[in-house]
Amino acid sequence: KNEVEQSPQNLTAQEGEFITINCSYSVGISALHWLQQHPGGGIVSLFMLSSGKKKHGRLIATINIQEKHSSLHITASHPRDSAVYICAVSLWSGTYKYIFGTGTRLKVLA
Amino acid sequence: GAVVSQHPSWVICKSGTSVKIECRSLDFQATTMFWYRQFPKQSLMLMATSNEGSKATYEQGVEKDKFLINHASLTLSTLTVTSAHPEDSSFYICSANLINEREGRVPFEQFFGPGTRLTVL
Repeated sequence: KNEVEQSPQNLTAQEGEFITINCSYSVGISALHWLQQHPGGGIVSLFMLSSGKKKHGRLIATINIQEKHSSLHITASHPRDSAVYICAVSLWSGTYKYIFGTGTRLKVLA
Repeated sequence: GAVVSQHPSWVICKSGTSVKIECRSLDFQATTMFWYRQFPKQSLMLMATSNEGSKATYEQGVEKDKFLINHASLTLSTLTVTSAHPEDSSFYICSANLINEREGRVPFEQFFGPGTRLTVL
């Protein structure tokens, strides 16, 4: 079992739909990160969470530390949101490292 | 802020040659940089952790003599793929951690370069 699990693995949505991507982890963490990887390969950090909820534009990220679960929501989805969304946790293991989820491939259709 | 660059963005080389990839933190200092490899439709795989002024720490299964890492300064790390073969063709991404001198290094956050696509013929 992976230490960081994401669901769904693939998601196709119509433009305007509300989207939720889930992430569960099984290790003690320093923080949880949501990353976005576009088809060109570059990775952008969307959120870093250690508690509660954060919002940036149409993106909302929440984390429940007790349940070891986080969600990324996209409101009013748009084709430009099409990307791979990666959940990662940072933790100390002799040095600080990220453990990555397998990613959610999102395609938003016009 | 917190911009990481990589050069080159893509490279095609012949089998047996060596290729060097540079990773730079442009507007911050990073004592630690990370090198990842990513195959199509797969997640990032950590290859090694690079610390300024010391030897890199390689993950299990990664050949340190094949993937040479040098972290000469707080803003530059290089990955050299020696005697490249077609199976080394992949997408290589570096990242750097941000030192926040006011608040220390916790929580820890990595900033990623745009990646280098290596094709070995």
